[in-house]
Amino acid sequence: EVQLVESGGGLVQPGGSLRLSCAASGFTFSDHYMDWVRQAPGKGLEWVGRSRNKVNSYSTEYAASVKGRFTISRDDSKRSLNLQMNSLKTEDTAVYYCTSSISSGTGVDVWGQGTTVTVSS
Amino acid sequence: DIQMTQSPSSLSASVGDRVTITCRASQGIGSSLAWFQQKPGKAPKSLIYAASSLQSGVPSKFSGSGSGTDFTLTISSLQPEDFATYYCQHYKSYPLTFGPGTTVDIK
Repeated sequence: EVQLVESGGGLVQPGGSLRLSCAASGFTFSDHYMDWVRQAPGKGLEWVGRSRNKVNSYSTEYAASVKGRFTISRDDSKRSLNLQMNSLKTEDTAVYYCTSSISSGTGVDVWGQGTTVTVSS
Repeated sequence: DIQMTQSPSSLSASVGDRVTITCRASQGIGSSLAWFQQKPGKAPKSLIYAASSLQSGVPSKFSGSGSGTDFTLTISSLQPEDFATYYCQHYKSYPLTFGPGTTVDIK
């Protein structure tokens, strides 16, 4: 069974940093694109960024709202997708979801349960 | 950036109704479109990819159609478990963007 489990959420002050992780299981981790998607309280879904697959050197793309502050990386040994978030702003408060392509190639097919990040003083 | 719009923003329907939600892209995206269902307090669930391909395990009452800029999600016979918010998303180019969502509630 394909499974994604996020961790690392919590309360952080504006300007602070936080690192989220997503543990993947049930599929060949290196073969698939993986994304982070977030949802602010009461709002819709917002794509945060992407890690392409190993064939594409795990290259990354970011939304303009997080570019230069957030960094996506992978750890093959732990089958983990990571999101390093620096210079956090109150508007980064959201539930952060880890997602993976499985059947669509470059789309979003599987979602984790989400982890909550609150940026507040 | 490609902008996604959805209509209606919300609708009220009865059990057994046929429901259609429309998604429009600001420029052509071929068939690079997905649909997701989200219930309150839960993670989204993938329903459809490539505009019309059903994700594994998703019931056949859900169907998707369209290409280019105009797409539809149809639920053939609405059941109580289908009351939720539905989002479309393109994955043609970066940034990937979602539609604002369509909430389906009970009439």
